[in-house]
Amino acid sequence: GAGVSQTPSNKVTEKGKYVELRCDPISGHTALYWYRQSLGQGPEFLIYFQGTGAADDSGLPNDRFFAVRPEGSVSTLKIQRTERGDSAVYLCASSVGTSRSTDTQYFGPGTRLTVL
Amino acid sequence: KNEVEQSPQNLTAQEGEFITINCSYSVGISALHWLQQHPGGGIVSLFMLSSGKKKHGRLIATINIQEKHSSLHITASHPRDSAVYICAVRRGAQKLVFGQGTRLTINP
Repeated sequence: GAGVSQTPSNKVTEKGKYVELRCDPISGHTALYWYRQSLGQGPEFLIYFQGTGAADDSGLPNDRFFAVRPEGSVSTLKIQRTERGDSAVYLCASSVGTSRSTDTQYFGPGTRLTVL
Repeated sequence: KNEVEQSPQNLTAQEGEFITINCSYSVGISALHWLQQHPGGGIVSLFMLSSGKKKHGRLIATINIQEKHSSLHITASHPRDSAVYICAVRRGAQKLVFGQGTRLTINP
């Protein structure tokens, strides 16, 4: 079946611009996660959705970052007034969404964002 | 200090060698994951552990909850095993905290 997909695969933008990154989770997965991975580092948690609501947004670095999941499926990560330090690979993952520790997260291929 | 520390950061070995990658963590966890990331970004889950040991093919993962330590072993390593291996711990129900990754290169 289809895995997690993310679009675009690459995004180049200029400092100060607004960008939107999209994630299509695996069908039926209620939990969706956004992570950010800087060069040479492990991913860092940004936000986690259970259904339509953000259950944990403690990883969003500041109020320039916002994410939505209006219908409990596709999610969009929005970054306002982009800065060069926002350049990273943005990873999305989804899982069935049980509260058990065995709930496996499946990762998308990521969107590489470059802010010039 | 990071909550999850991996060692080594980089590892180069010859084909056929036995590989060990270590992960130490400093917080309470509900599970530990080992992930593989190939160039281009795709991440694949290899193992999820909450105790003991798991084996899948040439890969073995162990965890010692008391010592807050896990190891990933690769037997009879092959150039196709070259990738970044990431340790991640689950905090609470869902949130993952990742190590910085170990870049493994297996030369033929």
